[in-house]
Amino acid sequence: EVQLVESGGVLVQPGRSMKLSCAASGFTFSSFPMAWVRQAPTKGLEWVATISTSGGSTYYRDSVKGRFTISRDNAKSTLYLQMDSLRSEDTATYYCTTGPLGVYHGGWFAYWGQGTLVTVSS
Amino acid sequence: DTVLTQSPALAVSPGERVSISCRASEGVNSYMHWYQQKPGQQPKLLIYKASNLASGVPARFSGSGSGTDFTLTIDPVEADDTATYFCQQSWNDPRTFGGGTKLELK
Repeated sequence: EVQLVESGGVLVQPGRSMKLSCAASGFTFSSFPMAWVRQAPTKGLEWVATISTSGGSTYYRDSVKGRFTISRDNAKSTLYLQMDSLRSEDTATYYCTTGPLGVYHGGWFAYWGQGTLVTVSS
Repeated sequence: DTVLTQSPALAVSPGERVSISCRASEGVNSYMHWYQQKPGQQPKLLIYKASNLASGVPARFSGSGSGTDFTLTIDPVEADDTATYFCQQSWNDPRTFGGGTKLELK
C-alpha cells in the first residue's frame, strides 16, 4: 500500500524559513517523480513544485520560485520542501503527492499524503 | 496559465444522476483529471485522462470530454458522495486545478 506521510508544518513568522518532509513507503520511491500541492484554508488546490526521479530536474510555480527548494533522498525514500522568505499567502496545507507525472507537465496525482499545515503569521 | 472553471455548488437527491462540468480556457487534449475531497481529508483521484476510472473507484463515477469541455458524472449518487470535486489539467504548463464543485445531497 502506498503511504505518504508529511511532517514539519508549524506556525512561523513572515520572512522565516521551514522545511517539510514526506516519508514514502509501499512503492519504489526512486522510480517516481514527486510533487508538492498546497491548499489554503477553505480554498482550492495549487501545484507548488515537482522533482524528477533522480532529483536532477525541478520545477516551481512562479510565486515560489527562488524561495522554495524541492529535493529528495532516494536512499531514505523521503521528499523535502525547503521554504524560505515565507509570506502570509504561503499559509496552506501542503500535500506530498506522486503518480505517473512528467516534471513539467503530463500525468496525474494518483497518491496523496494527509497533508501538513503551514501557518505564516506574526 | 490555463484557467479551469467549475460551478461552485450542486445539490442532488440520492439515487439521481449528477454531472459536474469543467471548462478550460484553452485546449488540454485529454489531460483532464478529477479528484474527490471530503472535509478534513486529502484529495483522492477518481478519473484520469478524461475518462479512465482510477483503481478502486466505483463504476458509478465516469468522465467524458476532450479539448476544453469535460464532465464528471455520478450515477446514481449516494450519500457518501458528499464532497468537493476538483478538475485538474496537466497538458499545459503549469498544471492547474479548478476551483472545485461542492456536491451536497438533499
